[in-house]
Amino acid sequence: KQEVTQIPAALSVPEGENLVLNCSFTDSAIYNLQWFRQDPGKGLTSLLLIQSSQREQTSGRLNASLDKSSGRSTLYIAASQPGDSATYLCAVSGSEKLVFGKGTKLTVNP
Amino acid sequence: DVKVTQSSRYLVKRTGEKVFLECVQDMDHENMFWYRQDPGLGLRLIYFSYDVKMKEKGDIPEGYSVSREKKERFSLILESASTNQTSMYLCASSSPRDGKDTQYFGPGTRLTVL
Repeated sequence: KQEVTQIPAALSVPEGENLVLNCSFTDSAIYNLQWFRQDPGKGLTSLLLIQSSQREQTSGRLNASLDKSSGRSTLYIAASQPGDSATYLCAVSGSEKLVFGKGTKLTVNP
Repeated sequence: DVKVTQSSRYLVKRTGEKVFLECVQDMDHENMFWYRQDPGLGLRLIYFSYDVKMKEKGDIPEGYSVSREKKERFSLILESASTNQTSMYLCASSSPRDGKDTQYFGPGTRLTVL
């Protein structure tokens, strides 16, 4: 059974810092991996999707990498801003279903 | 833009009541999903559907049922609500036709069962 782990569970950084969020998964037979953002009390917004054949995806200040063989993904956020404060969720797909990690709660302090 | 809407943002019900949570998507997506999200447990899949009138159990279907009579609408039904069903409920949709299978989420319904 696929399991997804995100470390750390919470992270607090000063504004402007570059940071990395980690995601690991136990079964490397995945279809794709997604990173989501969730603001308090809200739904999820998809940030980046990496297909299993890809190594990374970039969107603005965000860069996500995927190493399928080692079961790891990282989300890199450059020049963090207070507006980046949210919970970031990683999810892997073996088919149409997603398996989620429990998220990393990020706080960016002004 | 894909839009997934849920019928209520907040809902308060009493133990034993029958509860309907509605989800509507406007992008002609084949796949629709219902999750619940609880602190410390993350998102867990309750039910999903690949097409009209089709449904598949997720990881925690007990105490829930679903209905998909139209492609754009996926309903989650709590036959007899219990306090342990107090949670945030999230609906999502996706389509294999977009080549990426990204799931798009609604804003969520926070259900409290008293």
